[in-house]
Amino acid sequence: NAGVTQTPKFRVLKTGQSMTLLCAQDMNHEYMYWYRQDPGMGLRLIHYSVGEGTTAKGEVPDGYNVSRLKKQNFLLGLESAAPSQTSVYFCASSYLASKPTLRDEQYFGPGTRLTVT
Amino acid sequence: EDQVTQSPEALRLQEGESSSLNCSYTVSGLRGLFWYRQDPGKGPEFLFTLYSAGEEKEKERLKATLTKKESFLHITAPKPEDSATYLCAAYYGQNFVFGPGTRLSVLP
Repeated sequence: NAGVTQTPKFRVLKTGQSMTLLCAQDMNHEYMYWYRQDPGMGLRLIHYSVGEGTTAKGEVPDGYNVSRLKKQNFLLGLESAAPSQTSVYFCASSYLASKPTLRDEQYFGPGTRLTVT
Repeated sequence: EDQVTQSPEALRLQEGESSSLNCSYTVSGLRGLFWYRQDPGKGPEFLFTLYSAGEEKEKERLKATLTKKESFLHITAPKPEDSATYLCAAYYGQNFVFGPGTRLSVLP
């Protein structure tokens, strides 16, 4: 099992350019998440999905769009990149089951380091 | 406001010097409190989930505990390979809120 994979690993964009980050998981997880991690601020949730075809906004959704056309994939899009979007982006997935079957820990990918100049 | 804080921001220990990391949370309806380890340049790696005040979980040199307002990650006789950033996260509703992390360095 590869777990959670992310592509690309690194990317440099110019202000105004667009790009899509791809996340794939092979654990048959229902839930998938996109976070950004900035120094001193911890991980902040951008968008998440509770199943194929569904998406929802997290804490910092502005400037990003997502799609979950297949259960195993979760795409994060930047339509017009801004320097404030320079960050490390992490994708995660989980089962999220209710008690007492407690299996809702998140599994993270290796991250994508994005620089917007 | 719902938030998760961690202290200290950074901690340097000598090998074998035990200590504790703190995670304080103010959220409504906590469903779970998670601990993760993150090595430089990598994604967070799951360590523990705690669901009820009074619950404790152990893994090798690590033990996590939970009260109604905070969680502690106790590190007993740490080794240099325990050096990493330790993150906690509160799960409530459909939300995961992460703390900023504690950067732990264990010196040989």
